[in-house]
Amino acid sequence: DVKVTQSSRYLVKRTGEKVFLECVQDMDHENMFWYRQDPGLGLRLIYFSYDVKMKEKGDIPEGYSVSREKKERFSLILESASTNQTSMYLCASSHQGEVTEAFFGQGTRLTVV
Amino acid sequence: AQKITQTQPGMFVQEKEAVTLDCTYDTSDQSYGLFWYKQPSSGEMIFLIYQGSYDEQNATEGRYSLNFQKARKSANLVISASQLGDSAMYFCAMREPNNFNKFYFGSGTKLNVKP
Repeated sequence: DVKVTQSSRYLVKRTGEKVFLECVQDMDHENMFWYRQDPGLGLRLIYFSYDVKMKEKGDIPEGYSVSREKKERFSLILESASTNQTSMYLCASSHQGEVTEAFFGQGTRLTVV
Repeated sequence: AQKITQTQPGMFVQEKEAVTLDCTYDTSDQSYGLFWYKQPSSGEMIFLIYQGSYDEQNATEGRYSLNFQKARKSANLVISASQLGDSAMYFCAMREPNNFNKFYFGSGTKLNVKP
């Protein structure tokens, strides 16, 4: 059974903290993605990675960074958390190619207070 | 510009009836993939159906079919014989191989199936 696992389901952090969201996939996928989901805005791409140590900015990268040191793991980092980063964060992975679907983790609901 | 547009924030449908969820997309590429996902209240994203830009036939998967109109750049999802369990958010997505194979998603449509 294919799996994308996010390290936390719920997180509460304080403004200014450095926050790490971890994502691990067991399908040997080349591509990994981080999205945030907000009501009425759908899923917006923050960053994605197409190979180990390779990354590309998505549509809303400001305030975020990522790390991919191993193929199976993709981390999203909030350098200094702010209240406007309170959101649902979804990690996804896929093989290369336009015909392959993305598989999603269960999501992390982050609240910044 | 928005890559994926879903203009229906919310829809109601009577159980056992068919419903169409709209999706339009924007790309200048000839090769791309179109996807629909379902997100129930539990939050997981469930892949439903895929349509390739070169596919001449509309994709079908059980009660789901994709009404693909390439010239209009639309990829509407049709759910036949709606069930109560179909109540969920539905997202349309596109993947462009010439753009690092990024997935772009729409804002979603909340479908409510009434008994």
